[in-house]
Amino acid sequence: EPEVTQTPSHQVTQMGQEVILRCVPISNHLYFYWYRQILGQKVEFLVSFYNNEISEKSEIFDDQFSVERPDGSNFTLKIRSTKLEDSAMYFCASKAETANTGELFFGEGSRLTVL
Amino acid sequence: AQSVAQPEDQVNVAEGNPLTVKCTYSVSGNPYLFWYVQYPNRGLQFLLKYITGDNLVKGSYGFEAEFNKSQTSFHLKKPSALVSDSALYFCAVRDRGFQKLVFGTGTRLLVSP
Repeated sequence: EPEVTQTPSHQVTQMGQEVILRCVPISNHLYFYWYRQILGQKVEFLVSFYNNEISEKSEIFDDQFSVERPDGSNFTLKIRSTKLEDSAMYFCASKAETANTGELFFGEGSRLTVL
Repeated sequence: AQSVAQPEDQVNVAEGNPLTVKCTYSVSGNPYLFWYVQYPNRGLQFLLKYITGDNLVKGSYGFEAEFNKSQTSFHLKKPSALVSDSALYFCAVRDRGFQKLVFGTGTRLLVSP
């Protein structure tokens, strides 16, 4: 069964460093998302991406964050200068349909620890 | 703006008993509603969704949910709980005009043997 894959599974970084989290969405999916979850709590929307541009973003997704689909398969989240409060589990998700009735398929997550 | 409330942080139920996990929502128009489950150190897995039609929707692992427009609720149910159902359950809503899926705070289900 096709799945969303994320790397790395865990990254530890120093405050102020740049981090790139990588995702390979399901191959025929058209919409891509990043969510984050702090300490097993609420799952927070960061950004959605369609047709090579951001379609929606949350207040959390400030200038320190960026997303990119550099080739036909990868979808990346970059945090330019990490802060302690960026420590969280980051989930990538993808959706097949252009209509917004479809469910999201999530990866296993990338745990980011900022020291 | 859309929002979801899950009023219970934790639900405890004995194996074999019915379970209900509550969810209420708020959207400006008609909602699309979803339930996801998260096992420890795993991603979120889709359980079921309500788009339109029959208010009772059935999903994976014997779960079902009932859409109630007048009460703006979408409670998750299962007739007979299993210990393996113990996990974190998230309700989510999407306003029909948006792609963003908004999640509730989650309810931890603990099924005791």
